[in-house]
Amino acid sequence: EDQVTQSPEALRLQEGESSSLNCSYTVSGLRGLFWYRQDPGKGPEFLFTLYSAGEEKEKERLKATLTKKESFLHITAPKPEDSATYLCAVEGSSNTGKLIFGQGTTLQVKP
Amino acid sequence: DAMVIQNPRYQVTQFGKPVTLSCSQTLNHNVMYWYQQKSSQAPKLLFHYYDKDFNNEADTPDNFQSRRPNTSFCFLDIRSPGLGDAAMYLCATSSFTTGGYSPLHFGNGTRLTVT
Repeated sequence: EDQVTQSPEALRLQEGESSSLNCSYTVSGLRGLFWYRQDPGKGPEFLFTLYSAGEEKEKERLKATLTKKESFLHITAPKPEDSATYLCAVEGSSNTGKLIFGQGTTLQVKP
Repeated sequence: DAMVIQNPRYQVTQFGKPVTLSCSQTLNHNVMYWYQQKSSQAPKLLFHYYDKDFNNEADTPDNFQSRRPNTSFCFLDIRSPGLGDAAMYLCATSSFTTGGYSPLHFGNGTRLTVT
């Protein structure tokens, strides 16, 4: 069974304090690992897709990396506007086109 | 801007009273999904349509039904809502081509309260 676990559940940072969010996964035949950002009361917003171990993608202060068992979302010098819940999801070969989500990491960045 | 629109944003219904949530899209995507997200939990897939082909998840209760009358619209019907059905319901779309599925594009959800 495909499974995604995110840690920590919640993270508080000071503005400018860099950190990383973890996404551990088990999946039969990874087709893609996805990162989404979700603001309170809104739907998830797509950030990145990673397809194979060793792949990295960047967007502004965010950088996502992938190994065979986990993905990291690195946040460099975060700002208060980066506060949100970050969701990780996987698509496996036995569930093509369907995303299995983790429960998310809620990030709070204080000025 | 192409988008996924869910109506209403907030819905209050009584225990056992049928309710319908709606989703429309201007992306012309051929796949539409319904996810249920309870507070501080992972979104959980209820079902999805590939064009008009309906795909139900094995653990989705029979109380939940869906309709997709055309490419642009999809509805979620809850026949007899219970207190445990209170959640955010998220509609998402994707485009399937020979290259695979595009990343899911979500609407802003409908928050359902059951009294």
